[in-house]
Amino acid sequence: DIQMTQSPSSLSASVGDRVTITCRASQYINDDLSWYQLRPGKAPKLLMHAASALESGVPSRFSGSESGTEFTLTISSLQSEDFATYYCQQSYSEPRTFGQGTKVEMK
Amino acid sequence: QVQLQESGPGLVTPSETLSLICSVSGDSISRHYWSWIRQPPGKGLEWIGYLYYSFNTDYNPSLRSRSTISVDTSKNQFSLRLTSVTAADTAVYYCAREFGARGYFDLWGRGTPVTVSS
Repeated sequence: DIQMTQSPSSLSASVGDRVTITCRASQYINDDLSWYQLRPGKAPKLLMHAASALESGVPSRFSGSESGTEFTLTISSLQSEDFATYYCQQSYSEPRTFGQGTKVEMK
Repeated sequence: QVQLQESGPGLVTPSETLSLICSVSGDSISRHYWSWIRQPPGKGLEWIGYLYYSFNTDYNPSLRSRSTISVDTSKNQFSLRLTSVTAADTAVYYCAREFGARGYFDLWGRGTPVTVSS
């Protein structure tokens, strides 16, 4: 299985901060990487696929990038509704695997 | 508007079988891939398996021997059976749609918590 390692596991930030979350794959996965947002009591939300392709309706403050096997999710200016847990997921090979999550908490 | 809704017992006895249903509205279960995913307390997400084009299935090797995903096309539902459960199967269980075969999950249910305990 391809292992996905996310960092940090949690971070504290304030509204307006720039937040960066990293996901590293244990092997080559092309750009077959998606990001999800999980908030308590809500259905998980797909933010982007193919490393940087933003889903319809997702605010432009979210962006994604890749460098080899390292992928980054950036929130340019954190909003109150962005306090959540974020997961990466690879779809290069089966089984589909997720990172361990990054919890973004209010400072 | 496509919606997914999980349902099932919140408590399962160890060694018994966990059974969950995902009801899909606004889309046909005969299209796309439909997955089960779970999140144990304090841990990350784990893909369990999927059903595609109504009758084909594939599973995470780690759960294949205990998992069965099936479909009821008349009700536009798909289900998960997980046998011989232990406390390690305690988790929030989600159903999700994978549009076409693109490998990512574009729609999810809100999840249903399942506790394995006597």
